[in-house]
Amino acid sequence: QVTLKESGPGILQPSQTLSLTCTFSGFSLSTYGMGVGWIRQPSGKGLEWLANIWWDDDKYYNPSLKNRLTISKDTSNNQAFLKITNVDTADTATYYCARIAIRGLDYWGQGVMVTVSS
Amino acid sequence: DIQMTQSPASLSASLGETVSIECLASEDIYSYLAWYQQKPGKSPQLLIYAANRLQDGVPSRFSGSGSGTQYSLKISGMQPEDEGDYFCLQGSKFPWTFGGGTKLELK
Repeated sequence: QVTLKESGPGILQPSQTLSLTCTFSGFSLSTYGMGVGWIRQPSGKGLEWLANIWWDDDKYYNPSLKNRLTISKDTSNNQAFLKITNVDTADTATYYCARIAIRGLDYWGQGVMVTVSS
Repeated sequence: DIQMTQSPASLSASLGETVSIECLASEDIYSYLAWYQQKPGKSPQLLIYAANRLQDGVPSRFSGSGSGTQYSLKISGMQPEDEGDYFCLQGSKFPWTFGGGTKLELK
């Protein structure tokens, strides 16, 4: 059974760095073809893809966030991470991680709400 | 970036009615298209992948079709549990992009 769960700080101030963790089970990021993606959704709005990381450490980022994103993984502990630097109120959203397999983003976590406020 | 134009933005359907939702890509996405359902307060659930492949456990009343730049999701016989938001996602080219969403309600 594939499960993913996001964790994060809940609230942070503008200009700080947001650090998110995705802890998963039921698959391994050392398996060929597997990956984890991060997606966010402001309240009442649509979805925005942020970044992907694959089993071979290949990474892709959404250029709309310029150089603010860093994705990484800890294969032995079944975790993936996303850092967003220099946050502002526009980064307030629910952040999801999802497994990437041959069918794409097939299993999603429950999401973690992040609020950026001074 | 590939733009995904999803329509309609909202839709109201009667029990048993057939519903269609469309996604138009700004360029050919070679069937790298998925459909998701999202209920309030929940994460998106994969319904269709590769434009027309039904995800395991998804009721057969859901179907996907299309090619090139035009794709659609059909629900053949609206059920109360089908209420929610629906999104398309293109995975043909980075950055991956979502459609704006369709809110489906039971009339």
